Amino acid sequence: DGGITQSPKYLFRKEGQNVTLSCEQNLNHDAMYWYRQDPGQGLRLIYYSQIVNDFQKGDIAEGYSVSREKKESFPLTVTSAQKNPTAFYLCASSSNSGGVLNEQFFGPGTRLTVL
Amino acid sequence: GDSVTQMEGPVTLSEEAFLTINCTYTATGYPSLFWYVQYPGEGLQLLLKATKADDKGSNKGFEATYRKETTSFHLEKGSVQVSDSAVYFCALSGENTGFQKLVFGTGTRLLVSP
Repeated sequence: DGGITQSPKYLFRKEGQNVTLSCEQNLNHDAMYWYRQDPGQGLRLIYYSQIVNDFQKGDIAEGYSVSREKKESFPLTVTSAQKNPTAFYLCASSSNSGGVLNEQFFGPGTRLTVL
Repeated sequence: GDSVTQMEGPVTLSEEAFLTINCTYTATGYPSLFWYVQYPGEGLQLLLKATKADDKGSNKGFEATYRKETTSFHLEKGSVQVSDSAVYFCALSGENTGFQKLVFGTGTRLLVSP
């Protein structure tokens, strides 16, 4: 089955440690996205990538880093510089054919808790 | 910049009641509009979409009509079920972002009781 996988589902880390969240898709989508969701709030865009080896900052990129070495993979690193990293992180992808955003498909999310 | 405003929740209804969740937007031109649903502990799923004025998106008994004159995309369902309990997000993709990103509302939680 095609889809997006995120791992792990739950992640615990000590304050000051970097942590990398995995996102893999087998939908052959060019574009991938990382969002952060906090309780009672909408989704805020962290980073996005329209094509391999290229990515752009979203609205809240500070304290995060990404890479896009393969079309299928878009890992997110939460660094120690992120002041309040505890949140639910969602990865998404879309085909963006013809230069217009099509439906974004979302993964199941990773809940990160920093102790 | 572009923005989406949704009614605050939670919206609490009894089973078989009529549902309306309001969504209005601010954007230049003609954005594409979406409704997503998030069940507890899961990612988001596309519920329906509309890409031009007066389009009606529909899925699983839910409907929303793209109203350019009122910049609105209200979500409706004639008879809700307990299984519809979830958080609903309105979103747009517009010219200001080259139609490459989604801008989300804050979400509206729906609670349906038997």
